Amino acid sequence: DAGVIQSPRHEVTEMGQEVTLRCKPISGHNSLFWYRQTMMRGLELLIYFNNNVPIDDSGMPEDRFSAKMPNASFSTLKIQPSEPRDSAVYFCASSIRTGGEEKLFFGSGTQLSVL
Amino acid sequence: GQNIDQPTEMTATEGAIVQINCTYQTSGFNGLFWYQQHAGEAPTFLSYNVLDGLEEKGRFSSFLSRSKGYSYLLLKELQMKDSASYLCAVLFTGGGNKLTFGTGTQLKVEL
Repeated sequence: DAGVIQSPRHEVTEMGQEVTLRCKPISGHNSLFWYRQTMMRGLELLIYFNNNVPIDDSGMPEDRFSAKMPNASFSTLKIQPSEPRDSAVYFCASSIRTGGEEKLFFGSGTQLSVL
Repeated sequence: GQNIDQPTEMTATEGAIVQINCTYQTSGFNGLFWYQQHAGEAPTFLSYNVLDGLEEKGRFSSFLSRSKGYSYLLLKELQMKDSASYLCAVLFTGGGNKLTFGTGTQLKVEL
């Protein structure tokens, strides 16, 4: 399996622009997570989906952030308009529960820089 | 809150043993994970504990005490490649399968 695939790997944009991050989870996994990582705050969960349905978006910073999962093999995280404080590494992860243990498999992340 | 605390950084010598501690709020506990993250890379799964005791996997072991809200990751026969950030993460009930991460312990292995 190719693992969790994220694109782009790097994104540099100007304040006010729209940013769209993409994720393809591992085939057969039924949960998908979007995390943001910064030096100051570590890994923060933004939103997660079970069977394509958003379950908890309490970590989404504000209305500028939105996420969709139109089918089991694709998800997007959109920031509109972007701000410099959104600069971070954004990770997508997927998982499947096996015998009570549910380990996350992370994509390589998108390094976002908002100037 | 669901505070997860671990030391910010540690330094150890190649070939030695190091223990990285993690404490967490016990209310709603439903499992604890350790992940390893090398600089510029994604976190990768190391271990999972849901019952008290020690889980051993080669050079790495993880311990859990649910009553104390305490876990540690033990790394033996340290190698230079073990230099990385080690993230403690807890699954709490009531949050579905939402994993909450600590801020990580940056381990530096020296000669």
